[in-house]
Amino acid sequence: SQTIHQWPATLVQPVGSPLSLECTVEGTSNPNLYWYRQAAGRGLQLLFYSVGIGQISSEVPQNLSASRPQDRQFILSSKKLLLSDSGFYLCAWSLGQVAVGYTFGSGTRLTVV
Amino acid sequence: GQNIDQPTEMTATEGAIVQINCTYQTSGFNGLFWYQQHAGEAPTFLSYNVLDGLEEKGRFSSFLSRSKGYSYLLLKELQMKDSASYLCAVSRLRGGATNKLIFGTGTLLAVQP
Repeated sequence: SQTIHQWPATLVQPVGSPLSLECTVEGTSNPNLYWYRQAAGRGLQLLFYSVGIGQISSEVPQNLSASRPQDRQFILSSKKLLLSDSGFYLCAWSLGQVAVGYTFGSGTRLTVV
Repeated sequence: GQNIDQPTEMTATEGAIVQINCTYQTSGFNGLFWYQQHAGEAPTFLSYNVLDGLEEKGRFSSFLSRSKGYSYLLLKELQMKDSASYLCAVSRLRGGATNKLIFGTGTLLAVQP
């Protein structure tokens, strides 16, 4: 069966510090991978998606970047965090163009102080 | 662009029925999803509609009208554990690219004894 792992679960970082969140998927090949952010009281905002190794599409201009160094690994990064980067970050995967639902990781609660 | 609207909050009584509405405007429509999200947790899949009509799954049902850009989630025999946010999400398929889920802001449902 497929599983998705996301870590860390919580993170408190000072403004200006770097960020690296990692997401890995097991039990499937060539998944589509997604990073979402959920600010307090807000909906899920799609940040990045990837259809293959090294292929990254950005949905919104921002202070963050994403990379996919391996088929089942998706990394969200920042060189210098802003206060506005605080939120609940969720990684998700899906397969192909068929409109199947996403499966989400457990999320990372990021607080920038 | 796309626009997804759903009520911010709703309150219902244990054992009752509640209907959560969602309206949307989008191009490349490729299906509508409902997710449940408990506080601090990742969203979990509830239902998927791509054709007009009602899909029933136990206590939960979801309805879609593509011509009206309208969906609802119906929860029957409400239980206290149903207190959560319910997210409406539209799947978009553009130019053969992978489907992307665009989420509404969610409806926070409070079930009272």
